[in-house]
Amino acid sequence: AQKITQTQPGMFVQEKEAVTLDCTYDTSDQSYGLFWYKQPSSGEMIFLIYQGSYDEQNATEGRYSLNFQKARKSANLVISASQLGDSAMYFCAMTPPPNDYKLSFGAGTTVTVRA
Amino acid sequence: GAGVSQSPSNKVTEKGKDVELRCDPISGHTALYWYRQSLGQGLEFLIYFQGNSAPDKSGLPSDRFSAERTGGSVSTLTIQRTQQEDSAVYLCASSFQASNTEAFFGQGTRLTVV
Repeated sequence: AQKITQTQPGMFVQEKEAVTLDCTYDTSDQSYGLFWYKQPSSGEMIFLIYQGSYDEQNATEGRYSLNFQKARKSANLVISASQLGDSAMYFCAMTPPPNDYKLSFGAGTTVTVRA
Repeated sequence: GAGVSQSPSNKVTEKGKDVELRCDPISGHTALYWYRQSLGQGLEFLIYFQGNSAPDKSGLPSDRFSAERTGGSVSTLTIQRTQQEDSAVYLCASSFQASNTEAFFGQGTRLTVV
């Protein structure tokens, strides 16, 4: 069984500053995928970034980067240069092999960006 | 359509009644997923459809829950004899193939059982 832990229920960040969202996971699988999603108040889940367990380099997508530390089983999301539109709920998730469509989610972290 | 469409957006029902939630995936997407999000929680996998293959129903919480996908397009999630613990947001997603990086989510149906 897989478990995702997000210990920060809510965070405030000043506009233009960077913020790090913590995510740790527990799995006995050697191959897995890690995801971050954003859920604005409108409700839809928006894919942000993906990291494969065998990827040697940390994933980056624009202002999003994933700090992947496999030995520590952590996959923290870094949002650089925060914008007001980044205010949302952020979820860390993972998939096991071979059913890579079956996402397991953490409880989420609410980010509020202040002007 | 332009995105994944779910209806209704909100549904209030009395305990014991049956409800049907509808999902219209993006045209051409062969994979369709249902998830449930309880208040303040992450998403919980319910069911997965891929083309003409048998669906993966392993996430359905009880036999009161069922889902079908007609003609490889529209999907309906049915909850029979609703209970208060069924209150949640039900999210549908679709993708061209089984890939969460390419999955697009709808805005969900908020179900409240009173």
